[in-house]
Amino acid sequence: RKEVEQDPGPFNVPEGATVAFNCTYSNSASQSFFWYRQDCRKEPKLLMSVYSSGNEDGRFTAQLNRASQYISLLIRDSKLSDSATYLCVVNPQAGNNRKLIWGLGTSLAVNP
Amino acid sequence: NAGVTQTPKFRVLKTGQSMTLLCAQDMNHEYMYWYRQDPGMGLRLIHYSVGEGTTAKGEVPDGYNVSRLKKQNFLLGLESAAPSQTSVYFCASRLVTSGGRSYNEQFFGPGTRLTVL
Repeated sequence: RKEVEQDPGPFNVPEGATVAFNCTYSNSASQSFFWYRQDCRKEPKLLMSVYSSGNEDGRFTAQLNRASQYISLLIRDSKLSDSATYLCVVNPQAGNNRKLIWGLGTSLAVNP
Repeated sequence: NAGVTQTPKFRVLKTGQSMTLLCAQDMNHEYMYWYRQDPGMGLRLIHYSVGEGTTAKGEVPDGYNVSRLKKQNFLLGLESAAPSQTSVYFCASRLVTSGGRSYNEQFFGPGTRLTVL
């Protein structure tokens, strides 16, 4: 089993749709989790951090399920500008993210 | 602030040639990282540094060397380039702590696209 697994997609959704991605991780001791966004041929940028029970930022909601070892990202009212690859990132060690584990990403295309 | 910058943006090398990629950050961040990103492989950590004068191996260090002589710069060297090193290289930096608060976000440079023939 890979350390971090994501459905690569692509997810094709119309504007205004709600879309959700899941990410599973294999190390039950993992401490912190992140969602990064990467546009085509650009660098990754932090979208959200996910701690304990998750968090919300505008149209974006991230949740953590430790029992099932997955995190999710929910995007409501999708915009064309949300089209990107979403990377799930896991910090396997408490208080130390020197060696983050990166997922391969889920591709999202929001269509007019 | 320019953030994290990388030079060059593109480079083509012949097998066996050497080169150095430069990463610079003007945010006074403690940690710096070098990653490579390949299709189907995701981001993989090559080397990282937790402070000026210190470096450590990441997941895929072979064939690369690094140096951090100044806090703001992190250099990645390819001693003898191989086609397997064709990739997109990203540098990142992280603040770590400030005012008693811990920061986890890594800020990335725009990347260097390297082709080794």
